[in-house]
Amino acid sequence: EDKVVQSPLSLVVHEGDTVTLNCSYEVTNFRSLLWYKQEKKAPTFLFMLTSSGIEKKSGRLSSILDKKELFSILNITATQTGDSAVYLCAVEKNYGQNFVFGPGTRLSVLP
Amino acid sequence: EAGVTQFPSHSVIEKGQTVTLRCDPISGHDNLYWYRRVMGKEIKFLLHFVKESKQDESGMPNNRFLAERTGGTYSTLKVQPAELEDSGVYFCASSQDPVGVARNEQYFGPGTRLTVT
Repeated sequence: EDKVVQSPLSLVVHEGDTVTLNCSYEVTNFRSLLWYKQEKKAPTFLFMLTSSGIEKKSGRLSSILDKKELFSILNITATQTGDSAVYLCAVEKNYGQNFVFGPGTRLSVLP
Repeated sequence: EAGVTQFPSHSVIEKGQTVTLRCDPISGHDNLYWYRRVMGKEIKFLLHFVKESKQDESGMPNNRFLAERTGGTYSTLKVQPAELEDSGVYFCASSQDPVGVARNEQYFGPGTRLTVT
């Protein structure tokens, strides 16, 4: 059965800290892995990863995928209170189910 | 415990036809959300049910889209008549508490991939 696991499920840090969020998956017919940030309504797209070992960066956020070990990490450096949100990891499949979502990591950044 | 399920997983219809998507939330979850992903990676909010009531339908694009949740259990999203730009992946999610509430956990379904030709 397809599965996406995220860890930790919850994390509390102080502003300025660096955090690493983990996403591991067991999914057949892997197509891509996506990271989203969810605060209120719809999740906001962060990254889409399809190839191993290529780091994607956007400001203080970066992410990388390891298709051999079946995991991805999302790094946030110099965290700010505005980074507080649930970070979702989702795997898109080529066939069968379309997406498999992880449970999310709830990040709280304290001033 | 069964997760959020959606039916069908894929649907291909012609422009002008009608399609109905179904979402079965996790049992006991009062909050049910519809989203869609179109032309890329962003996920757009469509609407939010609390039990059978529409709490927020500000994301519904136009009156060709009709969502219902009779009895507060499963929900349907009907598109009638479908247009080419309606193609995309439609997600359903459910939660016990509304999004944004402390300790809320929102569970996403696998999505229905709709293709309008």
